[in-house]
Amino acid sequence: NAGVMQNPRHLVRRRGQEARLRCSPMKGHSHVYWYRQLPEEGLKFMVYLQKENIIDESGMPKERFSAEFPKEGPSILRIQQVVRGDSAAYFCASSPISRNTGELFFGEGSRLTVL
Amino acid sequence: SQKIEQNSEALNIQEGKTATLTCNYTNYSPAYLQWYRQDPGRGPVFLLLIRENEKEKRKERLKVTFDTTLKQSLFHITASQPADSATYLCALVDSSNTGKLIFGQGTTLQVKP
Repeated sequence: NAGVMQNPRHLVRRRGQEARLRCSPMKGHSHVYWYRQLPEEGLKFMVYLQKENIIDESGMPKERFSAEFPKEGPSILRIQQVVRGDSAAYFCASSPISRNTGELFFGEGSRLTVL
Repeated sequence: SQKIEQNSEALNIQEGKTATLTCNYTNYSPAYLQWYRQDPGRGPVFLLLIRENEKEKRKERLKVTFDTTLKQSLFHITASQPADSATYLCALVDSSNTGKLIFGQGTTLQVKP
C-alpha cells in the first residue's frame, strides 16, 4: 500500500511564476490536509479538503493560493505569482476519516524555492 | 488564542539516558493529543496518540503522559539511542468543528554516543 505521494519533491520558480504541488493520498483516504513549514518553524495548517469539497481553508492566504481535490486525480495546491516568502516545504497529509481522531499520514513534502 | 508550545531549544543527551520533551497548551480542551517524529528533509511520522481520559500511554521505549489540569504532555524516550535523534512534534485537534490538527513548533533531540 503506497503512502502519500507528493510531487514534485523540489520545485524552483522565479518571482511571478506559478507553482503547482500535487498530492495523492493513501489508497482509501478521502481527506487531505496541506501544511506549510518554513525553515526552523513548525507545521502551519493551510487547508483541509475532502473529495470535491473544501472543508476548512482558514490557514490559506487570502490571495494567490488555492487548493482543490477533484473527484478523480490528486489534490493540487496552486500558488500564483510566487514571491520569495513562499519558499517553504509544503506537506500533504491524508486520513481515512473525517474529524480526524486518528493519525495523519504525511508525504515527504514538496520544497519550493523562489528565486 | 489557542497556543501550543514546545521547547524551542535543542535537547542534547547522552546515549542510554532518558529524554523528556514537553508540550504545553493554552486555551484548548483537546480530546486527545498526538506526537510525531520528523527527520531532516522528511515528512512527519505518527508515533503515539493519548486521549484525555488516559494518564499515560506506552509503546516500546516511548511513554507519553497527558495532564489536562496542567495542560501539558510529556514525551519520554527511555534508553535513548543516536537513531532517536530527530525533531519531535506534538499536535492537538483544533477546537473548530473541522477537526484539523494543530502542531507545536517541535523540539530537536540530539542523542550523543
